[in-house]
Amino acid sequence: DSGVTQTPKHLITATGQRVTLRCSPRSGDLSVYWYQQSLDQGLQFLIQYYNGEERAKGNILERFSAQQFPDLHSELNLSSLELGDSALYFCASSPKQGTSGGYSTDTQYFGPGTRLTVL
Amino acid sequence: DAKTTQPPSMDCAEGRAANLPCNHSTISGNEYVYWYRQIHSQGPQYIIHGLKNNETNEMASLIITEDRKSSTLILPHATLRDTAVYYCIVRVANQGAQKLVFGQGTRLTINP
Repeated sequence: DSGVTQTPKHLITATGQRVTLRCSPRSGDLSVYWYQQSLDQGLQFLIQYYNGEERAKGNILERFSAQQFPDLHSELNLSSLELGDSALYFCASSPKQGTSGGYSTDTQYFGPGTRLTVL
Repeated sequence: DAKTTQPPSMDCAEGRAANLPCNHSTISGNEYVYWYRQIHSQGPQYIIHGLKNNETNEMASLIITEDRKSSTLILPHATLRDTAVYYCIVRVANQGAQKLVFGQGTRLTINP
C-alpha cells in the first residue's frame, strides 16, 4: 500500500459525458501527478500540481482539467468523453521538491488507479 | 530525458536471481536512474533509484556501470509475485520537471 488513494476504482460512462476522478496523496506530500495508461500509448504524464499550483503539463487534452485543493487532494475532470479516453488513470504523490546538490530526487508513489470505460 | 532501452521480455526461475538490464547511453550527469514495476494494471510501484553508486534496499539492488551508460536491477531471490513489467526511467532531476517518462519496460515472468 503506497498511501495514495484514488476513487472510484472503476467508472463506466457514455461518450459526451463528464467525470471526476479523485486522488488523496500520502500524508504530508505536496505534489500530485496524474498519468494516463491506455493500451496503445502506455503510461503518459498528464499534469502535476504542487501545493495547489499547477507545476507542469504533459500530454493533457484541453477537454481535461485538474486542480489541487487546500487539503492537497486533487481531482481530474474529464469532459466530452470519447471512446479513446478509456484508460487507467493513475495519481502519484511525492514530498515537497527536495534537492540534493541542486537537483531534485523526489520519488513518486502511485495510487491503485481508476479504470475508466467510455461506451 | 535520456532514453532507455530494455529487453521486452525475460524469464526467470523462482528462487533464482533476476537480472534486468537497462541501457541509457545518453544519460547526463544530473540524471538519476529509477526503477518501477507494475503488476497487472496495478499502480506502478517504486523499487529503487541511484545516481552513481550501487544501491540496495529490501526489494532489490541497483548496479550502475562506472560510465553510467547502463544499469542492472537485481531481484536476489525472485518469487512468483515478482512477475510484472519493470520500467527503467532516467529522470531529469531539476525543480521544474518532475514527470516520469515511462517506456515499454521489460515484462518479467517468474516461472515455478
